[in-house]
Amino acid sequence: DTEVTQTPKHLVMGMTNKKSLKCEQHMGHRAMYWYKQKAKKPPELMFVYSYEKLSINESVPSRFSPECPNSSLLNLHLHALQPEDSALYLCASSQVGPLGAEAFFGQGTRLTVV
Amino acid sequence: GQNIDQPTEMTATEGAIVQINCTYQTSGFNGLFWYQQHAGEAPTFLSYNVLDGLEEKGRFSSFLSRSKGYSYLLLKELQMKDSASYLCAVRGSRNQGNLIFGKGTKLSVKP
Repeated sequence: DTEVTQTPKHLVMGMTNKKSLKCEQHMGHRAMYWYKQKAKKPPELMFVYSYEKLSINESVPSRFSPECPNSSLLNLHLHALQPEDSALYLCASSQVGPLGAEAFFGQGTRLTVV
Repeated sequence: GQNIDQPTEMTATEGAIVQINCTYQTSGFNGLFWYQQHAGEAPTFLSYNVLDGLEEKGRFSSFLSRSKGYSYLLLKELQMKDSASYLCAVRGSRNQGNLIFGKGTKLSVKP
């Protein structure tokens, strides 16, 4: 199983809503990532979890709150988002370690904030 | 600072060979990755280089020169399905494996 599964695939939410994006992998990877991708732009790193602990937060606004409840799951809790937060949110996972560990990406959640 | 450059767009003909270049300046280097991304889909892994030289994988090859901060992806026997964006990404100095992506090269393959 080399899949990273993200749900939902599409999400439309209002600026006052609270929603969560979910990501799951069963490859035994202990590093998991959230990336944000705007149209025609490359993915931009948001958060990195290593061994279920947050290791990198790329100065992401607090309206995005990540959570890693166990080694297979990664959530991104959303609250009071802005229309400019509309984007494709990609989850990825990899082995921990500096060399050779390719990142596997999920299909993404396309988020629209209205 | 971190800077990864690649051409914005390229066009090639079905059956031909195309080379997509990538230059990088990053604070650390722990490998260079190439990903393919079709519109609206997730990036998929193509190749990885950490030592200088050429890595070949079927129709795809990738080359790295660390001293020049340079890589290229070579696609042979182009097919229409190769029309996609190609992302060059560097794993930087931190040990968590996060990738820094270039802006991507949109390749259009024409009959």
